[in-house]
This record gives sequence, C-alpha cells and structure tokens, in this order.
Amino acid sequence: NAGVTQTPKFQVLKTGQSMTLQCAQDMNHNSMYWYRQDPGMGLRLIYYSASEGTTDKGEVPNGYNVSRLNKREFSLRLESAAPSQTSVYFCASSGTGGAKTQYFGPGTRLLVL
Amino acid sequence: KQEVTQIPAALSVPEGENLVLNCSFTDSAIYNLQWFRQDPGKGLTSLLLIQSSQREQTSGRLNASLDKSSGRSTLYIAASQPGDSATYLCATGGGNKLTFGTGTQLKVEL
Repeated sequence: NAGVTQTPKFQVLKTGQSMTLQCAQDMNHNSMYWYRQDPGMGLRLIYYSASEGTTDKGEVPNGYNVSRLNKREFSLRLESAAPSQTSVYFCASSGTGGAKTQYFGPGTRLLVL
Repeated sequence: KQEVTQIPAALSVPEGENLVLNCSFTDSAIYNLQWFRQDPGKGLTSLLLIQSSQREQTSGRLNASLDKSSGRSTLYIAASQPGDSATYLCATGGGNKLTFGTGTQLKVEL
C-alpha cells in the first residue's frame, strides 16, 4: 500500500515548455486534489476531482489543466510554463464527503526558468 | 472567503516542555478542522481531524480542540521531543475545499 505517489520528484523547465505531473493513489478514494505550496502563502488548491469523471476549479486554476484518468490517477498539466509557476506541487486524496482526512503525496518540486 | 491564520510563525522550545499551537479562522461554517505535520522537503501527514460537531480529538501526546463560535483551534503537544520538530499546519473548510494556514515551524531543542 503506497498511498499517494507523485512523479516526477523534481523538474526544471524553461518558460513556455509544457509538462504533466502525475499522481496516483491506491486507497480507493473518490476525491483527489492538486495544491501548490509557496513560501509565506501556504497551500492553495488548484483543481480537485470529487469523483471519477468530474473536475472543478480551486483557488488558483489559471495556467493549469487536469485530467481524472480513472479512479486512481489525477494528472496536472502546465501547457506553457511561466516562472510564476515555480512551486512545490502536492497531490492529495480523500474518501467521499467533506469530513474525511486528506492524504498527501511527497510533492513535485518545479523550477521554471 | 475563509482565511486561516497561525501564530506564531516559528517557535523554539526546550525538550520536555508542553506547548500550544494556535489556529484561527474567519468563517465558522466549517465541516471540520484538520491538523497536519510537514517535515522539511516532505508531504503533509494528517495528525488529527475534528468534526464540526466535536470539541476535541486526542492522539497520544497530541490534543486538538475546536471552538467554532470564536473561530479558534489549538494543538496541544505534551512533553515535547526533538522528533516533534516540524512545521504544523491547520486547515479547515467545507466539502472538498480546504483552506490552509501558513503553519508554525516548531523546533524542539535538546
């Protein structure tokens, strides 16, 4: 039982390049989330998926797209990376409903030059 | 819009001391409040979750309380140890959306 896994662990991009961050969970959770963490700003929700086949915007969705590929996998895509997207990205998952603990992956550190 | 504040931003205590971390939030219409621990370069680990109908939760040396009416939660750590050194974050919200505080960085010194 690996919990929530993320790939890659670290990535350097040039401005304008694209990439996809991968996330998978093996806990049979319905809900999955993408956050970014920046110094002094805490974690902010980018997108979430309440169930397979659905996605919704969070607090900071601009510049990102997501895909809920199946119940296990939730990917985050940067179509044209910008230096402002330099951050640490975390994926999380939880069971159904609002009173469930969120389980986090180890994070992807992204540097956009 | 929900705002979550954690004070202090950093705290250093000697080993063995009991300590309290504070979390305040502006909107009392919440489903739950969660406390997480984050070690440097790592993801978040859930410590305690308090449902909106509950007043407190305990796990080992940790006790978290919730006062919705005043918009406050506290995390009490008993008999602190160097291994407790980490950043502690609180988060609250409704449904699938959590709002996080910026955390309290705790250092427990020998």
